[in-house]
Amino acid sequence: AQTVTQSQPEMSVQEAETVTLSCTYDTSENNYYLFWYKQPPSRQMILVIRQEAYKQQNATENRFSVNFQKAAKSFSLKISDSQLGDTAMYFCAFISNAGNMLTFGGGTRLMVKP
Amino acid sequence: DSGVTQTPKHLITATGQRVTLRCSPRSGDLSVYWYQQSLDQGLQFLIQYYNGEERAKGNILERFSAQQFPDLHSELNLSSLELGDSALYFCASSVGRPQGTDTQYFGPGTRLTVL
Repeated sequence: AQTVTQSQPEMSVQEAETVTLSCTYDTSENNYYLFWYKQPPSRQMILVIRQEAYKQQNATENRFSVNFQKAAKSFSLKISDSQLGDTAMYFCAFISNAGNMLTFGGGTRLMVKP
Repeated sequence: DSGVTQTPKHLITATGQRVTLRCSPRSGDLSVYWYQQSLDQGLQFLIQYYNGEERAKGNILERFSAQQFPDLHSELNLSSLELGDSALYFCASSVGRPQGTDTQYFGPGTRLTVL
């Protein structure tokens, strides 16, 4: 069974600064996909970024980028130029190529301070 | 807006009752997934349907059941409700491979409160 761990329950960052959220996972699979989802106070789950394990290049979406280290089973999210609207819970999630379900980490609560 | 719709937004009911949560996937998506988010258990996968057929089961209680209809909308039925069933229930959908490697897009959720 796969597990996903987010070791930072809470983090804060000043507006316009950069913050990195950590995620590690455990799997015996070789082909899989990793995601970061954002859950703002509205409770909606919003996709932030997706990474395919077979791709060596780290995924980037505007101010959001990941540092994917397959050998270390690490998948961190970097948010640049943090904005107040980035305040949310952030969940790291895993799905194997043979699987059907997302396995989520426990989440990191990020507060962006003005 | 993800394109996934869920009704109702909020539901308050009593222990022992039965409720039905409804989900409409994004246009063209064949797979529907149900997840439960509770304070003590976090986000947990319940069940997946693909084009009307059950494809995968997670930590879904026997008191819970789901189905996907020919128009691809899905319903999650929760019966003999207990206080511990209070949670946020999400529906997600993806394009359509039976295996869930397509990106899953989440609806706004239904908040269930059992009193």
